[in-house]
Amino acid sequence: DVKVTQSSRYLVKRTGEKVFLECVQDMDHENMFWYRQDPGLGLRLIYFSYDVKMKEKGDIPEGYSVSREKKERFSLILESASTNQTSMYLCASTPGRGGSPLHFGNGTRLTVT
Amino acid sequence: AQSVTQLDSHVSVSEGTPVLLRCNYSSSYSPSLFWYVQHPNKGLQLLLKYTSAATLVKGINGFEAEFKKSETSFHLTKPSAHMSDAAEYFCVVSVSDYKLSFGAGTTVTVRA
Repeated sequence: DVKVTQSSRYLVKRTGEKVFLECVQDMDHENMFWYRQDPGLGLRLIYFSYDVKMKEKGDIPEGYSVSREKKERFSLILESASTNQTSMYLCASTPGRGGSPLHFGNGTRLTVT
Repeated sequence: AQSVTQLDSHVSVSEGTPVLLRCNYSSSYSPSLFWYVQHPNKGLQLLLKYTSAATLVKGINGFEAEFKKSETSFHLTKPSAHMSDAAEYFCVVSVSDYKLSFGAGTTVTVRA
């Protein structure tokens, strides 16, 4: 089975801190994604990457950046955390393109105080 | 633009009774559609996927969904609910080669 591992299950950070969320997948998938999940809003795409060092903005990229230096690892960076970034963050991966199902990690619940 | 609307934010059923989760989509072409399930404190898991091969799609754990183009619907059903079906369910449409659009989710509660 594909395993997508997010390094932290829970994080508490202070406003203004730089925050790193890490995600690793073990199935050599080309595509990796970062979503945030908020009640009543479903999942919203922050950024995705279809190859090493490649990145594309999703629907809500403001306040975030990403890094993909190796194929298996995709990092989400909150440059200066704010309270409105308190949320559940989900990483996912897929092989190839064209409607392949997403494989999700278990999520990181981030609280910014 | 492609999008999905889940018509119920919360559904409550008794164990052993049918479950119906409603989803309407909007798309300018024949889309790829998915249902995902999320159990508490877990990531999302694929239940089933429609890609135009057959209008009735069978998924895991006894779930199935029917694609109705005339109604632009992709409702999820299960004949007999089990306690383990208590979770949040998401209807999803493929927007492009890489992007998916998620519905707001339906929380299912199963009463003993």
